[in-house]
Amino acid sequence: QKEVEQNSGPLSVPEGAIASLNCTYSDRVSQSFFWYRQYSGKSPELIMSIYSNGDKEDGRFTAQLNKASQYVSLLIRDSQPSDSATYLCAVISRAAGNKLTFGGGTRVLVKP
Amino acid sequence: KAGVTQTPRYLIKTRGQQVTLSCSPISGHRSVSWYQQTPGQGLQFLFEYFSETQRNKGNFPGRFSGRQFSNSRSEMNVSTLELGDSALYLCASSLASQAGTDTQYFGPGTRLTVL
Repeated sequence: QKEVEQNSGPLSVPEGAIASLNCTYSDRVSQSFFWYRQYSGKSPELIMSIYSNGDKEDGRFTAQLNKASQYVSLLIRDSQPSDSATYLCAVISRAAGNKLTFGGGTRVLVKP
Repeated sequence: KAGVTQTPRYLIKTRGQQVTLSCSPISGHRSVSWYQQTPGQGLQFLFEYFSETQRNKGNFPGRFSGRQFSNSRSEMNVSTLELGDSALYLCASSLASQAGTDTQYFGPGTRLTVL
């Protein structure tokens, strides 16, 4: 089992709709969770971090964390063509020596 | 505040050669981590340096090495290059204020092609 798992996609959403991305992790004592966006040929850029159970909103993005079920999700509201990218979920786990472990990423395509 | 910078941005080498990549972290950031990204394997952790010491290491062969200088700048070296080393090498820096919670910020990467 991979430490951090994401559906590779592509997730196709119409412009203006909500894109919902999911990520599951295997280490129950994971403590910090991040979502990064990566455009083709570019480096990852941080969207947001979340550390506690519940929702965290930042503009059109909402991260949701459920430690009991070991998943973290990202919602993109009012999706725009510029949101078309690969979204990477990353987790810091004490069991992994506090290093940042990435999922394989979900490719999102927003169609006008 | 300037972001993470990496040099060179692009590099072409042949098998058997060695290469050194450089990373300058965001001012005030003390931790530098290196990652390899390939289409098949995704983003994989190489190593992390903090206060000139390797604090964490991924599962890569000894051909991959790194170091950090007193100004937090870091270099990574790959010796005896193989075709499979062709990848985007990413550097990320963080404050390292509290282990296990740090947010990492990535540089633009170095695209290495091994022929």
